[in-house]
Amino acid sequence: AQSVTQLDSQVPVFEEAPVELRCNYSSSVSVYLFWYVQYPNQGLQLLLKYLSGSTLVKGINGFEAEFNKSQTSFHLRKPSVHISDTAEYFCAVSRGGFQKLVFGTGTRLLVSP
Amino acid sequence: DAGVIQSPRHEVTEMGQEVTLRCKPISGHDYLFWYRQTMMRGLELLIYFNNNVPIDDSGMPEDRFSAKMPNASFSTLKIQPSEPRDSAVYFCASTTGGRRSYEQYFGPGTRLTVT
Repeated sequence: AQSVTQLDSQVPVFEEAPVELRCNYSSSVSVYLFWYVQYPNQGLQLLLKYLSGSTLVKGINGFEAEFNKSQTSFHLRKPSVHISDTAEYFCAVSRGGFQKLVFGTGTRLLVSP
Repeated sequence: DAGVIQSPRHEVTEMGQEVTLRCKPISGHDYLFWYRQTMMRGLELLIYFNNNVPIDDSGMPEDRFSAKMPNASFSTLKIQPSEPRDSAVYFCASTTGGRRSYEQYFGPGTRLTVT
């Protein structure tokens, strides 16, 4: 079975600073990896996904993530955050060929001026 | 496309009452998912359907919960009788296996409060 660990429940950062949100997964089979963002009082929205190919994946709003198979990680990064990036971020994994997603517990990104 | 539509957006009910949450997936999507989100347990998958057929209901907490998908454009999640511990935000999501994109599109959620 797959599982996802998001090590940080909350990450405070100043505007225009870089940020990294950590995600580690466990699975014995090939996986697909995702990052979703949830703004207050809204549903989840896909930021980016890794299915195959290049291990560096670029998503919306300037976010990117790198798939590292040896470290079983899929960390999310942004070089310069904005106040509007304040939200909860969820890492998720699915087993290749299956639609079911397993979500991590989420990381709350708090961007302050 | 209007996206995934959920109704109602907010529901307040008394313990013991029946609650029905509704979802309209994106047209053409053949997978539909019901999730529950709470502070304590995070985001949990309750059940999902493929082509209107329930595939995995292992996340449904107990017999008080039931879900149906009578056609490709409508699904319900029913709780009978409701209890205060059912208070949560319930999300519906849909996707298509045809494109193999695996991107799930979420609705805005229904915030349920059981008093």
